[in-house]
Amino acid sequence: GAVVSQHPSRVICKSGTSVKIECRSLDFQATTMFWYRQFPKQSLMLMATSNEGSKATYEQGVEKDKFLINHASLTLSTLTVTSAHPEDSSFYICSARTVWGADTQYFGPGTRLTVL
Amino acid sequence: AQSVTQLGSHVSVSEGALVLLRCNYSSSVPPYLFWYVQYPNQGLQLLLKYTSAATLVKGINGFEAEFKKSETSFHLTKPSAHMSDAAEYFCAVSGGSNYKLTFGKGTLLTVNP
Repeated sequence: GAVVSQHPSRVICKSGTSVKIECRSLDFQATTMFWYRQFPKQSLMLMATSNEGSKATYEQGVEKDKFLINHASLTLSTLTVTSAHPEDSSFYICSARTVWGADTQYFGPGTRLTVL
Repeated sequence: AQSVTQLGSHVSVSEGALVLLRCNYSSSVPPYLFWYVQYPNQGLQLLLKYTSAATLVKGINGFEAEFKKSETSFHLTKPSAHMSDAAEYFCAVSGGSNYKLTFGKGTLLTVNP
């Protein structure tokens, strides 16, 4: 149980285009999902907290107009990187918090974004 | 406020040897503590967690960790390393109502044959 998927696993796009990444909880309902960014050989940095049916809460320094987050249902959150630039290239990982084990986050497999 | 310090960015052990990965934390509220493992180009897998129950926590793949409040530590151990244990390990702390995780910088474990 507690499986989280992400799609796509890898994406390459041109500078200036937008990219959407999906995060799904496959076998549970997730009232809260989190989006992280991980640079090579570094730790995870929390970008935003996404609650179903409400606006996401962004961490300090994260541009909310650039990283659009939508949490339309209890099993799906999306991250859209708008007008992507090479510096947005990174590994993006989502996690979901279950209702029954609210203290634990389960992580997706990550999405490797490369902006040319 | 919370923070995590993982001592040693890289730990190398021989197959069959003891694995010890160190984690110290600070938290202004009673903490929840976690160890996650990450294989290359993959997400994080939960190894074990401490949530104010037993201080010695057993996890998957033979790993365990002990919560020591007096030392503010939550070190991860495994009696006998296996080649498949080679990965990046992250210690994390959360506390308060929002359950946000704060991660340490990670420790890369290599296992030598």
